[in-house]
Amino acid sequence: DAGVIQSPRHEVTEMGQEVTLRCKPISGHNSLFWYRQTMMRGLELLIYFNNNVPIDDSGMPEDRFSAKMPNASFSTLKIQPSEPRDSAVYFCASSRHANTGELFFGEGSRLTVL
Amino acid sequence: KNEVEQSPQNLTAQEGEFITINCSYSVGISALHWLQQHPGGGIVSLFMLSSGKKKHGRLIATINIQEKHSSLHITASHPRDSAVYICAVSSGGGADGLTFGKGTHLIIQP
Repeated sequence: DAGVIQSPRHEVTEMGQEVTLRCKPISGHNSLFWYRQTMMRGLELLIYFNNNVPIDDSGMPEDRFSAKMPNASFSTLKIQPSEPRDSAVYFCASSRHANTGELFFGEGSRLTVL
Repeated sequence: KNEVEQSPQNLTAQEGEFITINCSYSVGISALHWLQQHPGGGIVSLFMLSSGKKKHGRLIATINIQEKHSSLHITASHPRDSAVYICAVSSGGGADGLTFGKGTHLIIQP
């Protein structure tokens, strides 16, 4: 299995631009998680989906952030408009079941907003 | 919200030493995860446990639910064990709603 696949691996953009991060979970996994990692705050859960349905988005910072999972094999995290404080590494992870499963992480997308 | 504290924050040891990393949390949980993050940034799940002890190779994870405490042990440490080790807890029973510790930065010197 290819594991969790994220793209892009690196993105540098200017403040105000729209950013879209993509994730393909492991086939057969029913749960997908988006995390953000910064030096100051460490790893934080942004949102997670069960069977393509958002379950907990309480970690989404504000209305500039949105996430979708249109089908079982694809999810996006969008930031519009981006701000310098959004600079972080964004990880996607999947598990077979949210309440029993081991987590498998993607390699992360490093975002720099200038 | 659960508060997750790890200690030590940084640890440097010599190859072969026995390593212990601690994790304490404030609210009862259903599952605790130990994660490993290498300098390249990738994150790997080492253990998920809700009671007792688990062992995988030179790694051992224990949890005491009553004391709200978990430890990760590395026996016969090796420079390739150098990484950040992150403790995360879940109230939901698995991977949902994880709260993360800040991590322990481990360096094993040859």
